[in-house]
Amino acid sequence: GENVGLHLPTLSVQEGDNSIINCAYSNSASDYFIWYKQESGKGPQFIIDIRSNMDKRQGQRVTVLLNKTVKHLSLQIAATQPGDSAVYFCAESGAGSYQLTFGKGTKLSVIP
Amino acid sequence: NAGVTQTPKFQVLKTGQSMTLQCAQDMNHEYMSWYRQDPGMGLRLIHYSVGAGITDQGEVPNGYNVSRSTTEDFPLRLLSAAPSQTSVYFCASSYSAGLSYGYTFGSGTRLTVV
Repeated sequence: GENVGLHLPTLSVQEGDNSIINCAYSNSASDYFIWYKQESGKGPQFIIDIRSNMDKRQGQRVTVLLNKTVKHLSLQIAATQPGDSAVYFCAESGAGSYQLTFGKGTKLSVIP
Repeated sequence: NAGVTQTPKFQVLKTGQSMTLQCAQDMNHEYMSWYRQDPGMGLRLIHYSVGAGITDQGEVPNGYNVSRSTTEDFPLRLLSAAPSQTSVYFCASSYSAGLSYGYTFGSGTRLTVV
């Protein structure tokens, strides 16, 4: 909703540039990680996921990197477009678990 | 194929009133869950269900009840609304424990308790 962006870290990028959104997690037993995009007034939308046995996974214009040593996850968006403006959340879960733990989110603003 | 449908989209309640937030999915997903989203807090799990007849508590279950009588429906009940329950509520479903492709989320219910 409209209040999701309050008190969130904000990243502003120029249209056409690449964006990197970072996420730190604390649970070393986390096995599965997901990035979600949430536009104003809508529910979170799946972007890309990665399992703990991988370091990198690529989708269309998006790449997720996982560094288990420092418990860090990043989402890279290539050639950022105005339609990419949204709040981005990382989420994690343990092996075989249905339960997702979400990060607090980062608001991405694309400058035309 | 509607995905996950939540009703109502907006609701205002007075303190002490009760209501039920509806959630339905038509994807034959076994797993369903309810989250609340507050500014600066991300999404927090309230209750979840791994199949019809089975429910369990999440991170913030107090003040909420759920039931799962069918695979399709997973209503969330507020028995006595409090201002602290003012939030945006999301229902989500998933096919399996592997969480491939993550969850499918509904569009949310914005609840205000006055």
